[in-house]
Amino acid sequence: QQQVKQSPQSLIVQKGGIPIINCAYENTAFDYFPWYQQFPGKGPALLIAIRPDVSEKKEGRFTISFNKSAKQFSLHIMDSQPGDSATYFCAAMRTGANNLFFGTGTRLTVIP
Amino acid sequence: DAGITQSPRHKVTETGTPVTLRCHQTENHRYMYWYRQDPGHGLRLIHYSYGVKDTDKGEVSDGYSVSRSKTEDFLLTLESATSSQTSVYFCAISAMSAGYTFGSGTRLTVV
Repeated sequence: QQQVKQSPQSLIVQKGGIPIINCAYENTAFDYFPWYQQFPGKGPALLIAIRPDVSEKKEGRFTISFNKSAKQFSLHIMDSQPGDSATYFCAAMRTGANNLFFGTGTRLTVIP
Repeated sequence: DAGITQSPRHKVTETGTPVTLRCHQTENHRYMYWYRQDPGHGLRLIHYSYGVKDTDKGEVSDGYSVSRSKTEDFLLTLESATSSQTSVYFCAISAMSAGYTFGSGTRLTVV
């Protein structure tokens, strides 16, 4: 079964909007939660990652919010731009385990 | 993607034929992975390697085998290709078991 559940499947926002992508997991042994960005014809690229000892992490316009008790984490993109249009994947793993489990992806479209 | 190359980029093959995909890295990373990407499933791990000649199965390993005879090369073989193996295959590398870097992928079509 899907180890990491991701929603929504697709998202359309206006330029400057704040798209939010949500993920949930069940395995409490997971301790590393990265987000990947993928453009058509390319491989996924690491965007930002968080560990459960913090509730929020920001890198530029990208923010991860993490709720350990709810086993949920989300990606917020501030001041979104058309160049942010891509597919975003959340993922989770236990450090040392050698299997990074991915969500099913969210296709984001930012309209100019 | 810098440091990791997949070949071929595209391949069409017939059902029942063997197919080998190649992943080559120049980063000298210990860990290498093969994933497949399918709509509605995200990326799923097929096999991984934690050193030369050291490999293990992932969650969708049936019908696939791998080999790693050198640090820089990780081969994925479909022993007898089936239509259900039509997919985009990604190789990834990491120095430790986190912080994966992905290649650009191989689009495989089995007809």
